[in-house]
Amino acid sequence: AQSVTQLDSQVPVFEEAPVELRCNYSSSVSVYLFWYVQYPNQGLQLLLKYLSGSTLVKGINGFEAEFNKSQTSFHLRKPSVHISDTAEYFCAVTSSGGSYIPTFGRGTSLIVHP
Amino acid sequence: SQTIHQWPATLVQPVGSPLSLECTVEGTSNPNLYWYRQAAGRGLQLLFYSVGIGQISSEVPQNLSASRPQDRQFILSSKKLLLSDSGFYLCAWSDKNYGYTFGSGTRLTVV
Repeated sequence: AQSVTQLDSQVPVFEEAPVELRCNYSSSVSVYLFWYVQYPNQGLQLLLKYLSGSTLVKGINGFEAEFNKSQTSFHLRKPSVHISDTAEYFCAVTSSGGSYIPTFGRGTSLIVHP
Repeated sequence: SQTIHQWPATLVQPVGSPLSLECTVEGTSNPNLYWYRQAAGRGLQLLFYSVGIGQISSEVPQNLSASRPQDRQFILSSKKLLLSDSGFYLCAWSDKNYGYTFGSGTRLTVV
């Protein structure tokens, strides 16, 4: 079985400041990891994904995430946030060789203040 | 390119009325299709998924059902809605790279 923990339910930050949204997972097999963003009253949009290869993954909108196998983490980072980054962010994991159905974290609300 | 359409965007229905939400995918064949519900603006609950026409797997026993009458069509239904069925419903499809593409969602309010 796999699980995902997003440690922060809400992260307030000022505009142009750096941000890190934390995600830890547990799985007994190799994993694929994803970050999604959800703007109010919209569906989820894929930000980035880690399948294999380089542990540093770059995504859209200036976001990046680093896969750390020893710490079972996949934290999302952005060096300088904008007001428009205010949204809900979801981390998700699937197990390689599994059913392709991801397990989602409960989400982190990023609130960017001017 | 692949696109996913989900409608309606919002829906207000009385308790006890039927429900039908439709989702269609374009630009791909034999996709895996999914219905999720998101309650109170947080968390995603997988309701149903389908790996092919007529093949439906239910993750949570409830007042809802799903059908896949065509390869790229996925329908979420209920015969009699309950207040607890209110929420934000999301359709999604996945490809071989294990990424999801979500529809824009349907906000259902049962009154």
